[in-house]
Amino acid sequence: GAGVSQSPSNKVTEKGKDVELRCDPISGHTALYWYRQRLGQGLEFLIYFQGNSAPDKSGLPSDRFSAERTGESVSTLTIQRTQQEDSAVYLCASSLALDRGPEAFFGQGTRLTVV
Amino acid sequence: AQSVAQPEDQVNVAEGNPLTVKCTYSVSGNPYLFWYVQYPNRGLQFLLKYITGDNLVKGSYGFEAEFNKSQTSFHLKKPSALVSDSALYFCAVRPGGGSYIPTFGRGTSLIVHP
Repeated sequence: GAGVSQSPSNKVTEKGKDVELRCDPISGHTALYWYRQRLGQGLEFLIYFQGNSAPDKSGLPSDRFSAERTGESVSTLTIQRTQQEDSAVYLCASSLALDRGPEAFFGQGTRLTVV
Repeated sequence: AQSVAQPEDQVNVAEGNPLTVKCTYSVSGNPYLFWYVQYPNRGLQFLLKYITGDNLVKGSYGFEAEFNKSQTSFHLKKPSALVSDSALYFCAVRPGGGSYIPTFGRGTSLIVHP
């Protein structure tokens, strides 16, 4: 597609369940970022991928969070045993390269609500 | 640690008037600075960036921003606001070398009144 696609757009889950969020980056973009945006807050960096290099996971808030990316294609963010504080919008962004990361194209996000 | 402050949660301006959305930052070394806009029900869009060179940077939709090293500021400006500029604006910073992790401000809601 022409832009970054995220699915689902909305997800309501029960506390304790696992969720998987998907991001389809723009074709040819080697860098991919995941962010979390809580209500009234700025974007919080979670993880980035650059090509086949090891990802930078330094922003993941706990070991319940993990992400994978196959090559330069789809990425999934998994949250295990969800908690209410995980409720947020999760944004994915892709760019041609890491050094152009902040010029990335963003998806519309997945709004996660943990009840 | 790097940080970004957007001191105003909301900025109100009349259509046709100049607008300023403030941003100050703290980062080690030379900063790379960015502005994004988030329209309702749409994803973030990159507006402009400062890497090096001229302190006045021009971006999309008629916006510009001025880098002021002594005041560690990167305020977003537009000479004449439009109602359609009403949106949420985010400032971001990352260090010029090494880390590729940006830090975002909390955002400023810009409301342009007809």
